Amino acid sequence: GDSVTQMEGPVTLSEEAFLTINCTYTATGYPSLFWYVQYPGEGLQLLLKATKADDKGSNKGFEATYRKETTSFHLEKGSVQVSDSAVYFCALSSTGGFKTIFGAGTRLFVKA
Amino acid sequence: DVKVTQSSRYLVKRTGEKVFLECVQDMDHENMFWYRQDPGLGLRLIYFSYDVKMKEKGDIPEGYSVSREKKERFSLILESASTNQTSMYLCASYPPSGSGSYNEQFFGPGTRLTVL
Repeated sequence: GDSVTQMEGPVTLSEEAFLTINCTYTATGYPSLFWYVQYPGEGLQLLLKATKADDKGSNKGFEATYRKETTSFHLEKGSVQVSDSAVYFCALSSTGGFKTIFGAGTRLFVKA
Repeated sequence: DVKVTQSSRYLVKRTGEKVFLECVQDMDHENMFWYRQDPGLGLRLIYFSYDVKMKEKGDIPEGYSVSREKKERFSLILESASTNQTSMYLCASYPPSGSGSYNEQFFGPGTRLTVL
């Protein structure tokens, strides 16, 4: 079945450091890919998405590119801030379906 | 903006109690979901509903039931709470096909349930 694997955390960075959180997926067909973010004490909210191969999703300085050849959707940000401290979830939703498969989540701590 | 609300942010119950978690969305979405979130396990789907009075089991339905009497409301029921149901519970809704939201789910703030 479909699955999502993302790097284990926690990831601890200093402010202004470069961030990469790796995500790979297994799916039949052509899924849509997502990154959701969960700030402390809150539910998940969509950070960015990509619906087809080679699409780049971007929001709030974060980017991720849908790589079909490597089945990956890595999250990157050039300069993290303390306010980026949160849990990040990679997810996929298969074509024509509405079930979303989530990765285990990666907790990010950013130190001032 | 879509708003998904959950009845409680924090709940403490005793083993054996019947527990109701309520979720309401205001965007007329047909599809609603209940997940539980545990450290290292991510989100696991308990039940989902694609229409009023319709429900489908997710990946971990044991010990839970659901009710969808109105389109905007989706309730999760723990018939007899147990300590291993201590968790964060998240409700989500999902817009209809063709709405342009590219399969995005909209989440409530979560209910942290502790069963003693």
